[in-house]
Amino acid sequence: KAGVTQTPRYLIKTRGQQVTLSCSPISGHRSVSWYQQTPGQGLQFLFEYFSETQRNKGNFPGRFSGRQFSNSRSEMNVSTLELGDSALYLCASSLGPLGTGDSGNTIYFGEGSWLTVV
Amino acid sequence: AQKITQTQPGMFVQEKEAVTLDCTYDTSDPSYGLFWYKQPSSGEMIFLIYQGSYDQQNATEGRYSLNFQKARKSANLVISASQLGDSAMYFCAMREVNFGNEKLTFGTGTRLTIIP
Repeated sequence: KAGVTQTPRYLIKTRGQQVTLSCSPISGHRSVSWYQQTPGQGLQFLFEYFSETQRNKGNFPGRFSGRQFSNSRSEMNVSTLELGDSALYLCASSLGPLGTGDSGNTIYFGEGSWLTVV
Repeated sequence: AQKITQTQPGMFVQEKEAVTLDCTYDTSDPSYGLFWYKQPSSGEMIFLIYQGSYDQQNATEGRYSLNFQKARKSANLVISASQLGDSAMYFCAMREVNFGNEKLTFGTGTRLTIIP
């Protein structure tokens, strides 16, 4: 069974540009959540999508947006990139929404997308 | 306020020894879940073990076990018979299930180094 797949793995962008990251969840999983990891702030929750609807959003500016398609694949977009957006962006998938709290709703992560803004 | 606290920034352990990584959490919700993940330098976050707040027994997965002490709000990860491949960052995370504020909150991590 394939795991969570994120593309691209590495990318370099210039300040002011925009970037789109893609995440394919484990087959059958309908929840996709996104996280930003930086040395200074650690791992922070960005948002969660379930059945094409954004359910929860973390404390990030509106430049960070996302969407989910009918096949549960998700994309995350960052517009007007800033140097501080350089980070590892991790995507996670689970069967049910994040808030479904039982052992059957384990949250699995992908390998991440390393974004460098210069 | 910090919801997940990992007090050990780094640990060095001899190969084949057991190691305990500490994690304390803070929540007022009766329903929550606790995860441990391993992150090698490649960046992938690898799921290790899960404990639900209502689970009666401590979770175990192979060489990993979770020492869950609910009254103390503690969920320590125990790795038995450590191996060189266990060297990585380890994160404790809590799933909050209160409606409208569901997310996964992470601790700051512990960097574990296994010495041959």
